[in-house]
Amino acid sequence: TQLLEQSPQFLSIQEGENLTVYCNSSSVFSSLQWYRQEPGEGPVLLVTVVTGGEVKKLKRLTFQFGDARKDSSLHITAAQPGDTGLYLCAGAPTGANNLFFGTGTRLTVIP
Amino acid sequence: DTGVSQDPRHKITKRGQNVTFRCDPISEHNRLYWYRQTLGQGPEFLTYFQNEAQLEKSRLLSDRFSAERPKGSFSTLEIQRTEQGDSAMYLCASSLVVSGTEAFFGQGTRLTVV
Repeated sequence: TQLLEQSPQFLSIQEGENLTVYCNSSSVFSSLQWYRQEPGEGPVLLVTVVTGGEVKKLKRLTFQFGDARKDSSLHITAAQPGDTGLYLCAGAPTGANNLFFGTGTRLTVIP
Repeated sequence: DTGVSQDPRHKITKRGQNVTFRCDPISEHNRLYWYRQTLGQGPEFLTYFQNEAQLEKSRLLSDRFSAERPKGSFSTLEIQRTEQGDSAMYLCASSLVVSGTEAFFGQGTRLTVV
């Protein structure tokens, strides 16, 4: 059983479209991180969300942490081909120090 | 120091051989994690250190795997008697205790067992 479930697993969209990726769990997290990973490379940290209900923006990317700190979403506005990659959410359940990863969402943005 | 460094980037080995990977974390980071990632999956936790102490090991980590962080700086991950199922990307990450689990990753070591 996966601690963090992401949806969708795969997403292929045209350049300029908007999209949302979801990260869900039945556990409460003290914080959640979002990473992007390109083939053959390690994950690159995009953002950390800490407070329930928190919204953070990174250019065209908007991250939200659920009020109950059990879920998070990533919204991309006007997707670009450079956004293509594997998006991973990760976090440690409250009281744990071990970072668990979600199942990942593979995004392809077609020019 | 610009980030987490892993060596080698790629390793091809014959089944049954031993391999060792090295990770140099960001210099002031006191936590160090090892993960394994297979194609199309998210990283799977293997073990983590706080300073030189190994605080947690995954049940997935068989007896053939051992990790060390002798002086609380760099770490090594050794796999003995490699099997084809060990083929994966091995990722190292580091973080500061005060930053919680906000971890920064190296570029990984791609292991292929033939």
